[in-house]
Amino acid sequence: NAGVTQTPKFRVLKTGQSMTLLCAQDMNHEYMYWYRQDPGMGLRLIHYSVGEGTTAKGEVPDGYNVSRLKKQNFLLGLESAAPSQTSVYFCASSYMGNQPQHFGDGTRLSIL
Amino acid sequence: AQTVTQSQPEMSVQEAETVTLSCTYDTSENNYYLFWYKQPPSRQMILVIRQEAYKQQNATENRFSVNFQKAAKSFSLKISDSQLGDTAMYFCAFMRGGTASKLTFGTGTRLQVTL
Repeated sequence: NAGVTQTPKFRVLKTGQSMTLLCAQDMNHEYMYWYRQDPGMGLRLIHYSVGEGTTAKGEVPDGYNVSRLKKQNFLLGLESAAPSQTSVYFCASSYMGNQPQHFGDGTRLSIL
Repeated sequence: AQTVTQSQPEMSVQEAETVTLSCTYDTSENNYYLFWYKQPPSRQMILVIRQEAYKQQNATENRFSVNFQKAAKSFSLKISDSQLGDTAMYFCAFMRGGTASKLTFGTGTRLQVTL
């Protein structure tokens, strides 16, 4: 029972570098989401997707891009990493929009 | 925009006792869902309980129950017979009804269960 799998689990980047976080789900869910979690704050939505080939902006989309080329995968990209993007990133998925979201284990990203 | 407020940053409870975590929210919507998620030190986000706003009856899941007061926009979580494994951050979250699927989270309450 893999559920939602995030790769990698930890990463350290230098300012200006780029990278892609991968989220994969094996539950045939339509909806997928990327959140960030910062100290003292709840999770905030970065981008989300309501189906293969679609993406939409969330609450804090600046500095990030996403793609959903396959239904089971949702990629989060940082084109030019900044220290303000140091955070824990969570991916989630749900069968429909109003159903509970299932979360991955998170990716801790540090940008120096 | 919706907001979710958890006014208790930290709480402590003894094993086997009962504890209530508070959550209030602000919305002009009539159709929505409320959730409590648990985040233990392992960092996983685990769904504890879900409440549909149109349902009068409070949701329960084993030792976890909610007190949903729609008019007061309050959604508290009661944990009965607390166990050491309940030690975690607890997040209250709001979701609009319909196809809108975005979760708005509160800032969390850190619960420590002691012997």
